[in-house]
Amino acid sequence: ILNVEQSPQSLHVQEGDSTNFTCSFPSSNFYALHWYRWETAKSPEALFVMTLNGDEKKKGRISATLNTKEGYSYLYIKGSQPEDSATYLCASDTGGGNKLTFGTGTQLKVEL
Amino acid sequence: DARVTQTPRDKVTEMGQEVTMRCQPILGHNTVFWYRQTMMQGLELLAYFRNRAPLDDSGMPKDRFSAEMPDATLATLKIQPSEPRDSAVYFCASAPGLVPHEQFFGPGTRLTVL
Repeated sequence: ILNVEQSPQSLHVQEGDSTNFTCSFPSSNFYALHWYRWETAKSPEALFVMTLNGDEKKKGRISATLNTKEGYSYLYIKGSQPEDSATYLCASDTGGGNKLTFGTGTQLKVEL
Repeated sequence: DARVTQTPRDKVTEMGQEVTMRCQPILGHNTVFWYRQTMMQGLELLAYFRNRAPLDDSGMPKDRFSAEMPDATLATLKIQPSEPRDSAVYFCASAPGLVPHEQFFGPGTRLTVL
């Protein structure tokens, strides 16, 4: 993996469904992995910054896991709500200077 | 509450004109980033500064773009001359010096070059 890749590109789920997305990143020279939530017409807001292999972070109904050896991270949303509708971005820091390479995001739409 | 501010929020200009975008980072943050949002590339890093010194501007077209930090409370991104392909939303973000750390994004400047 040379770039940061996210899948799926977009996702439509029903309210109450649980869902997850994938972020793949270069495993060499890994320093940190960031997740951001980006609502339409707003600016990205940080969800998690993760550094340790096997790390798991949680914020309310959203959680994330990290595998630095194989270069992937999963973001989980439990019991999706319409207000979770947003684009979820992951970004890799491979230099340690907080310089991030962003993926193109997963666009989530939660329908009633 | 502390937040990154950007001006202008919207700018419409004609091809060939100079455009200056300004960013005020969160007080105490010593790292400032400029990003451009495009349909094809998503969020791409144009340049970033630490303690007002440019660390990396490799993402920026050098012939027409320039980025500076005249002081710790102001970062500027200038395009001269502007071209229609520069139309995009430009975001500024700041972060404290401790790394790794989340970045705090401003509201963005939507630039339209006619």
